[in-house]
Amino acid sequence: SQTIHQWPATLVQPVGSPLSLECTVEGTSNPNLYWYRQAAGRGLQLLFYSVGIGQISSEVPQNLSASRPQDRQFILSSKKLLLSDSGFYLCAWRPGTGGNEQFFGPGTRLTVL
Amino acid sequence: QKEVEQNSGPLSVPEGAIASLNCTYSDRGSQSFFWYRQYSGKSPELIMFIYSNGDKEDGRFTAQLNKASQYVSLLIRDSQPSDSATYLCALDGSYQLTFGKGTKLSVIP
Repeated sequence: SQTIHQWPATLVQPVGSPLSLECTVEGTSNPNLYWYRQAAGRGLQLLFYSVGIGQISSEVPQNLSASRPQDRQFILSSKKLLLSDSGFYLCAWRPGTGGNEQFFGPGTRLTVL
Repeated sequence: QKEVEQNSGPLSVPEGAIASLNCTYSDRGSQSFFWYRQYSGKSPELIMFIYSNGDKEDGRFTAQLNKASQYVSLLIRDSQPSDSATYLCALDGSYQLTFGKGTKLSVIP
């Protein structure tokens, strides 16, 4: 069966510091991978998605970036965090072929102070 | 731009009642629809998906799709306090899902 991992689970960072969040998927090959952000009391905002290694599509211009160095690894980064980057960051995967359902990881709660 | 609208709630129902959650969407070309449940502080969990007009049942959950009227519903029978959560409706695009902001459901014991 497939499993998706995210770490860290929680993170408190000062404004201006860098960020690196990691997501890995097990039990599947060639998944589509996604990064979402959910701010307090708001809906899910798609940040990036990837259909393959090195292929990144950005949905919202911002100070975040994403990379996919391996088939089942997706990384979200920032060089300098802003207060507005606080939120619940969710990684999700979907089969590269076949079903359209997306499955979410446990999430990382980021607080920028 | 695809849009998905949900009443934010909260929707309060007594334990044992039927909870009805509704979602409307703007893109007539949408083919696949999904319902996710999100407990407070947790990530969304897929509970139902539906592709065809009509009803789809899974245990206490029934998803209803009406493409002509562009709405999709989720019925929860015999509601339990453990069903208290935010329910997100989503529709499929080429590679991504478009989510509504969710309806908060509260089941009162």
